[in-house]
Amino acid sequence: SYVVTQPPSVSVAPGKTARIPCGGNNIGNKDVHWYQQKPGQAPVLVISYDSDRPSGIPERFSGSNSENTATLTINRVEAGDEADYYCQVWDSGSDHWIFGGGTKLTVL
Amino acid sequence: EVQLLESGGGLAQPGGSLRLSCAASGFTLRDYAMTWVRQAPGKGLEWVSTITGSGTVTYYADSVKGRFTISRDNSKSTLYLQMNTLRVEDTALYYCAGGYSSSSEMDSWGQGTLVTVSS
Repeated sequence: SYVVTQPPSVSVAPGKTARIPCGGNNIGNKDVHWYQQKPGQAPVLVISYDSDRPSGIPERFSGSNSENTATLTINRVEAGDEADYYCQVWDSGSDHWIFGGGTKLTVL
Repeated sequence: EVQLLESGGGLAQPGGSLRLSCAASGFTLRDYAMTWVRQAPGKGLEWVSTITGSGTVTYYADSVKGRFTISRDNSKSTLYLQMNTLRVEDTALYYCAGGYSSSSEMDSWGQGTLVTVSS
C-alpha cells in the first residue's frame, strides 16, 4: 500500500522557519493533512487539504504539496511549537488512511 | 463544544477481548465519519478503522481486519470498537476521531483510552 515518509527529527532556532517534509509517490495528487501532537496530549489538526488552516491555528503554520513532497512550514518558530508532527493521506487505492512516521520538532 | 470521550480500555490477556466506546457530545454524531487511531507507547500514530456516518461502510487496517469490529449507535451518540483475539502488539492508547467524511481530515479527537495486552 501507499507509503509516506517523514524525517524523524527537525531542529530549528526560535524565530526561524521550520520545514517538515512528507514524501510519497506523486503525493501532489493526494490531499495531505497535518497534525501536531504535544507530549501527553491528543493530536490536533493544524493543516488540512495541503494548505488550509483550521480556525484557531496561527497564521505561522502553512502547508504546500507538489509532486513527491508535501511540506509543513512553521514561520517564526516558538518554544511552544515543539511537538511531534504527522502527515496523513487517504489512499483511495486501498481505502486506507496512511500516517507518516512523525517528525519531532525541537526548538533549540 | 465538540467532545469525544473514550472508555473501555484496560488490561487484557493475549487472545482476549475488549470493547472500547467513544461518547460524543456537542455535535450530531451521524453527521460525522468516525475513526479509531492508536499509538503504541513511544511510537507514532497508526490508523485502525473508520466508519461512515450512517454506519453502512467500514474500513480496517490490515493489522486488525478480521479481529476488530467498528460500529456506532447514532441514537446514543456512541462509537464502538470490539477488539477480539487481542495480541501483545495491540497494546496502545486508542483515540477516537471525527471528520465530515471517511476520507476527510479528522478535526476532532478524544483524549484516548489505554489498552494493555499482557499475560
